[in-house]
Amino acid sequence: EADIYQTPRYLVIGTGKKITLECSQTMGHDKMYWYQQDPGMELHLIHYSYGVNSTEKGDLSSESTVSRIRTEHFPLTLESARPSHTSQYLCASSEMRVSGNTIYFGEGSWLTVV
Amino acid sequence: SQKIEQNSEALNIQEGKTATLTCNYTNYSPAYLQWYRQDPGRGPVFLLLIRENEKEKRKERLKVTFDTTLKQSLFHITASQPADSATYLCALAYGGSQGNLIFGKGTKLSVKP
Repeated sequence: EADIYQTPRYLVIGTGKKITLECSQTMGHDKMYWYQQDPGMELHLIHYSYGVNSTEKGDLSSESTVSRIRTEHFPLTLESARPSHTSQYLCASSEMRVSGNTIYFGEGSWLTVV
Repeated sequence: SQKIEQNSEALNIQEGKTATLTCNYTNYSPAYLQWYRQDPGRGPVFLLLIRENEKEKRKERLKVTFDTTLKQSLFHITASQPADSATYLCALAYGGSQGNLIFGKGTKLSVKP
C-alpha cells in the first residue's frame, strides 16, 4: 500500500470559510499532485509540484492554491470556499523515472460547501 | 488536445468469464499508458503500465495490450471474481515520459457470482 495520507477525509463547511486540505507522503517522492474528481467523472489535474518550492497549475483551472515547503508535505488551500468547490480532492505522488511515473494516490478528501 | 474514451460506463459479467475493457485515445500516441483500479470512495490504485513500444503486458490474471495504430488499449481480467468489481481507469502520459497523466472516466465492472 502507498504511504500517502490526506486529512480530513470528510469536511462540511460554510460558504466563505478558508480551508486547507493536508497531504503527506513518506515515500520521498519528488513529484506530487492534486486531482479533483466529481462522482462518476474523470480525475482532473489541478496542481502539481516537481519538488520543494515548485508549484504548477494543472489542466483544470482552480481557485485553490498549493505550497511545497517540505518534500513530504503538499497542502491545498481555498481562501473562500463556495458551493461550486464541492468535490472530492485526491492527493498523489510519484517517483520521476525515465520509464514512466506510477502515481500513488491518497484516499481522498470529500469537501462539501453549504 | 488529447482525449480518452473508455468504451462503456458499465460492464456486467458472470464470475469466471473474461472481462475486456477498452480505452481509445485521439491525437498523438502517448509515451506510455496505465490502468488503475478505483473502489467507491477510495483513491485509484495502479495496476499496469505499458510503453508505446510494447504490444502486451501481463500480471497474474491481468493483461493489457497497446495498439498505437488503432490508438487503443485493451484491458483483460481472466477468470473474473466478484472481488474484481470496481471502476477501472485508463490513463495516458502526455508531454513525454515525465509528463503528467490524463485519465478517462472509467468503466465500472460488476462481476456476478
